[in-house]
Amino acid sequence: EVQLVESGGGLVQPGRSLRLSCAASGFTFDDYAMHWVRQAPGKGLEWVSGISWNSGSIGYADSVKGRFTISRDNAKNSLYLQMNSLRAEDTALYYCAKELTGGVFDYWGQGTLVTVSS
Amino acid sequence: DIQMTQSPSSLSASVGDRVTITCRASQGISNSLAWYQQKPGKAPKLLLYAASRLESGVPSRFSGSGSGTDYTLTISSLQPEDFATYYCQQYYSTPFTFGPGTKVDIK
Repeated sequence: EVQLVESGGGLVQPGRSLRLSCAASGFTFDDYAMHWVRQAPGKGLEWVSGISWNSGSIGYADSVKGRFTISRDNAKNSLYLQMNSLRAEDTALYYCAKELTGGVFDYWGQGTLVTVSS
Repeated sequence: DIQMTQSPSSLSASVGDRVTITCRASQGISNSLAWYQQKPGKAPKLLLYAASRLESGVPSRFSGSGSGTDYTLTISSLQPEDFATYYCQQYYSTPFTFGPGTKVDIK
């Protein structure tokens, strides 16, 4: 059974940093690209970032480019999102998602909530 | 960036109704279109991709069609467990973008 478990969310002040983690199990992690998708409270879905199986290809939404860094450790079956210079508009539930093929997300975690507020 | 729109933004329907949701992309996306279902407090669930390809385990009452910029999700006979919000998503190019969602609730 595929499982994705996010962690690392919490309340953080504007301008500070936070690192999210996603622990994957139930599939061959290093065979698949992985992504972060977020959802602000009561709002829709926004793709944040994605990383290929070997970290050779990485992409970001314009809204986070230069502030967020995605990475993965295939030996630990883990995905990460380093979030710097956080803003109030980054407040959201952050989902880790496994890619089925080329940008289609077939498994999602339960999400970790990030709240940016003073 | 490719902008996605959905209509309607919400609808009320009864069990057994046929429901159609429309998704439009701001440019052609060559059937690179997925549909997700999200229930309150839950993660999204993949229903279809490649515009019409049903994800494994998804009931056959869900179907998708379309081409170019215009796509539809159809639920042939709405069931109680189908009341949820539905999102389309293009994966033709990054940044991958989602529609604003269509909330389906009980009439």
